[in-house]
Amino acid sequence: SAVISQKPSRDICQRGTSLTIQCQVDSQVTMMFWYRQQPGQSLTLIATANQGSEATYESGFVIDKFPISRPNLTFSTLTVSNMSPEDSSIYLCSARQTHSTDTQYFGPGTRLTVL
Amino acid sequence: AQTVTQSQPEMSVQEAETVTLSCTYDTSESNYYLFWYKQPPSRQMILVIRQEAYKQQNATENRFSVNFQKAAKSFSLKISDSQLGDTAMYFCAFMNTNFGNEKLTFGTGTRLTIIP
Repeated sequence: SAVISQKPSRDICQRGTSLTIQCQVDSQVTMMFWYRQQPGQSLTLIATANQGSEATYESGFVIDKFPISRPNLTFSTLTVSNMSPEDSSIYLCSARQTHSTDTQYFGPGTRLTVL
Repeated sequence: AQTVTQSQPEMSVQEAETVTLSCTYDTSESNYYLFWYKQPPSRQMILVIRQEAYKQQNATENRFSVNFQKAAKSFSLKISDSQLGDTAMYFCAFMNTNFGNEKLTFGTGTRLTIIP
């Protein structure tokens, strides 16, 4: 299984600012994913990040609000831009290993609170 | 689009007892994967068990087993000899196997409490 770390683990931010979340995997992976988990809710996919190409966003999520970078096969970042209190959530990174066709492994999540 | 339904928002069971969490899904695909993930208060998502749709045999991982009924689109999780550490949110998830569309669709979760 892949070991995934995220930074920061939590943050409290002011309305109108931006936060960049980092996701690091301990092995090369083909696909990385970013999810949002609003308080008491399930996980919703924000976007899929493939190395060497633009991220693919799900309905309701746009690049201007959630820009994503994927500079190599082990790292990705998600930026939450121009934050509002509605962006208060847990943001989770996941990855699927290059030689695995199914299982996604998850990072520990970043708990974001916007005041 | 696929949907995943977990009809039990909360469950509780005495330690050492057996509990079954239900999950149904809707898809027009014939080949896919199904997963159960556990999310304890630490919020780390942990894979519990997975099932390939083309396999008729139910998956088993130690105390965890599934009852996969493809025709009924049902995928329940059975936890035997439950332990205090099993207390967590449990999410059922579906994944399409079509290349480029391998995203996970999650159910709303079941909060399981193991009572000492």
